[in-house]
Amino acid sequence: DVKVTQSSRYLVKRTGEKVFLECVQDMDHENMFWYRQDPGLGLRLIYFSYDVKMKEKGDIPEGYSVSREKKERFSLILESASTNQTSMYLCASSFWTGGGTGELFFGEGSRLTVL
Amino acid sequence: GQQLNQSPQSMFIQEGEDVSMNCTSSSIFNTWLWYKQDPGEGPVLLIALYKAGELTSNGRLTAQFGITRKDSFLNISASIPSDVGIYFCAGQETGANSKLTFGKGITLSVRP
Repeated sequence: DVKVTQSSRYLVKRTGEKVFLECVQDMDHENMFWYRQDPGLGLRLIYFSYDVKMKEKGDIPEGYSVSREKKERFSLILESASTNQTSMYLCASSFWTGGGTGELFFGEGSRLTVL
Repeated sequence: GQQLNQSPQSMFIQEGEDVSMNCTSSSIFNTWLWYKQDPGEGPVLLIALYKAGELTSNGRLTAQFGITRKDSFLNISASIPSDVGIYFCAGQETGANSKLTFGKGITLSVRP
């Protein structure tokens, strides 16, 4: 079975803290993604990566950075957390098909609260 | 980024009823996907469509890729309480680097 694992289901952090959200996939997928999900706004793409050490900005990259040192792991970093980053964060992965990012497989989500 | 149109935001149905939801876009897509998200969980792929006019079933779920390639619909027949959740459509344009565009989702409630 396809498995995307996010390290923390629930986190509570304080404003200004550095936050790491980790994601690991066991399917040898080339593509990995970070989305945030907010009520009424749907899924918004933060960053994605097509390969190790490669990263590209999505639609809302401000305030975030990412790291992909190994193919199976994609980390989302909030350098200085702010209250407006309180959200559900979803990691996803997919195979490289040559015709776009294809079917995404999602993790269970990490619900971050910034106080 | 562009958005897909999914409406209404919420739907309320009685157990046993059929429900249909659709998704429209101003762009032509070569792939349509339908996901379901249970409360507190990540989205799970229900059905994938790759060809205009394609009709695909997965149990009580049926989805179609519109012939204009700008829309898709999902039908759920004989709804049951565990059908509750958020249903997202997603579309992808042609192109090696194209990404999925998601609709905002429809929250489905099923009354016993």
